[in-house]
Amino acid sequence: DGGITQSPKYLFRKEGQNVTLSCEQNLNHDAMYWYRQDPGQGLRLIYYSQIVNDFQKGDIAEGYSVSREKKESFPLTVTSAQKNPTAFYLCASSIVSGGTGELFFGEGSRLTVL
Amino acid sequence: AQSVAQPEDQVNVAEGNPLTVKCTYSVSGNPYLFWYVQYPNRGLQFLLKYITGDNLVKGSYGFEAEFNKSQTSFHLKKPSALVSDSALYFCAVRDIPSRSTLGRLYFGRGTQLTVWP
Repeated sequence: DGGITQSPKYLFRKEGQNVTLSCEQNLNHDAMYWYRQDPGQGLRLIYYSQIVNDFQKGDIAEGYSVSREKKESFPLTVTSAQKNPTAFYLCASSIVSGGTGELFFGEGSRLTVL
Repeated sequence: AQSVAQPEDQVNVAEGNPLTVKCTYSVSGNPYLFWYVQYPNRGLQFLLKYITGDNLVKGSYGFEAEFNKSQTSFHLKKPSALVSDSALYFCAVRDIPSRSTLGRLYFGRGTQLTVWP
């Protein structure tokens, strides 16, 4: 079955540590996205990538970094510079960016900073 | 600026009654509109979308939505609610790509739907 796989599902981190969240898709989609979800705030865009080796900052990119070396993979690193990293992180993909197609989402990764 | 508003944080309805989850949008030009559903600790699932054509769009699980251009609304509806419909619902809008915009998707804050038996 095609889809998006995020790992790990749950992650605990000590303050000052970097952590990388994995996102893999086998849908052959060009565009991939990372969103952060906090209670009552909806989804906020962190980074997105329209094509391999290219990505753009979203609304809340500070303290995060990404790479897009392969079409299938779009990992997100939460760095120690992110002041409030505890959140639910969602990865998504679409056939292309800006088209009529919907986004497909992974199951999410919940990060807790201790 | 593009935006989506879901004016109700919570909607409560009895099983078997019709339900409506409201959404209004602000976007330059003609919008692409979407509804998603999220169950606890899960990702978002696509329900339906409006691109063009008939203002009444039918989607998954018996849901439908009505596009109203004059009121800039895209309310989600279901004739008869089920307890299993209880979830968080998100409306989203995408503006049509141009030189100044890449056609990003903008989400509302979500509406928690509770259907009681």
